[in-house]
Amino acid sequence: SAVISQKPSRDICQRGTSLTIQCQVDSQVTMMFWYRQQPGQSLTLIATANQGSEATYESGFVIDKFPISRPNLTFSTLTVSNMSPEDSSIYLCSAAEADTQYFGPGTRLTVL
Amino acid sequence: GQQVMQIPQYQHVQEGEDFTTYCNSSTTLSNIQWYKQRPGGHPVFLIQLVKSGEVKKQKRLTFQFGEAKKNSSLHITATQTTDVGTYFCASPSYNTDKLIFGTGTRLQVFP
Repeated sequence: SAVISQKPSRDICQRGTSLTIQCQVDSQVTMMFWYRQQPGQSLTLIATANQGSEATYESGFVIDKFPISRPNLTFSTLTVSNMSPEDSSIYLCSAAEADTQYFGPGTRLTVL
Repeated sequence: GQQVMQIPQYQHVQEGEDFTTYCNSSTTLSNIQWYKQRPGGHPVFLIQLVKSGEVKKQKRLTFQFGEAKKNSSLHITATQTTDVGTYFCASPSYNTDKLIFGTGTRLQVFP
């Protein structure tokens, strides 16, 4: 199974600023995904990070707010732009192998 | 769109008691996966069921896929404090690589 690292593990940011979260996989994977998870809630898919093309965003999420990069088959970044307190959440990346997904440890973001 | 509901939302049990969480969909699922998320942790893949009526076991955990492939269950026999966490079922969205996660069942085990 893929091993995934994320950084930063947590951050406290001021409103109006941006934060870029990095996700590194220990093997080449075709599909990578970015999720948001509020405390006590299920996972909400933000977007699919496609290698070599633009990310595919879910309803309610837009590229201007959550730009994603996927420069190769082992790495992706998610930027949370122009942050507000409503963006406070845990952000998780995952990598798919066959049908199953393996998750990074998450980034806990607090926006003041 | 495709939705996957889980019940109960929350359950607390005494250590040694059994626990079951149920996953239901209004549409036929290609497969069902189960994940466990410990408090403060990230979801970890447990198992995948593909065939109608399939039953798989992992030690004290029994996973079942319904005959109509619209529901699934996870049963834990004789719970232990290490079973604490939230259990999610998930299934691929039709014709895509995305996973649709269930609402989750949070299990608390009291010693």
